[in-house]
Amino acid sequence: GAGVSQSPRYKVAKRGQDVALRCDPISGHVSLFWYQQALGQGPEFLTYFQNEAQLDKSGLPSDRFFAERPEGSVSTLKIQRTQQEDSAVYLCASSFTQGVGNTIYFGEGSWLTVV
Amino acid sequence: AQSVTQLGSHVSVSEGALVLLRCNYSSSVPPYLFWYVQYPNQGLQLLLKYTSAATLVKGINGFEAEFKKSETSFHLTKPSAHMSDAAEYFCAVSDPYNNNDMRFGAGTRLTVKP
Repeated sequence: GAGVSQSPRYKVAKRGQDVALRCDPISGHVSLFWYQQALGQGPEFLTYFQNEAQLDKSGLPSDRFFAERPEGSVSTLKIQRTQQEDSAVYLCASSFTQGVGNTIYFGEGSWLTVV
Repeated sequence: AQSVTQLGSHVSVSEGALVLLRCNYSSSVPPYLFWYVQYPNQGLQLLLKYTSAATLVKGINGFEAEFKKSETSFHLTKPSAHMSDAAEYFCAVSDPYNNNDMRFGAGTRLTVKP
């Protein structure tokens, strides 16, 4: 597609519910990133894929967070047993390669509210 | 580890006035630096980036930023603010050999008064 596409754009989940957030990166982009942006804050790195390989998951806040990219294209971020502190915008981004200075393109984000 | 500090969470200017958004970085290696803009309910859009070439970087929408190593700064400027510039602006730093390690500042909300 023309840009990074994320769905759903808005999700309200009851505490304890599992959620899955989808990201369609720009076609041909090798690198894919997930960020969490809390209200009034800058994006915080969660995890990074190069093709289907998850090379860095150091930013995932707990073992309730899980990300996958099985075919090296679409990625899903799953949050199990959601808690109120998980409420945030989840941003997906992609870039053509991991090369130095390559532009990272962001999606519009998935807004998660846990009630 | 790298980090950025954006001075001022809110900046208000009059239409036509100079825009100056401040960013200072900390990095153990020569950094790559970025400015992103975020409009309400939208994702981040790259304004400009510094990747160790010219220290004065020109971006979209008339914005520019200057890398000053001696001051560890990368301030964003625009000579004349337009109403459409009202948005949230984020400064970011990355390790030039590790693109996944991009760290963002907390953001500066720019308001433009008519």
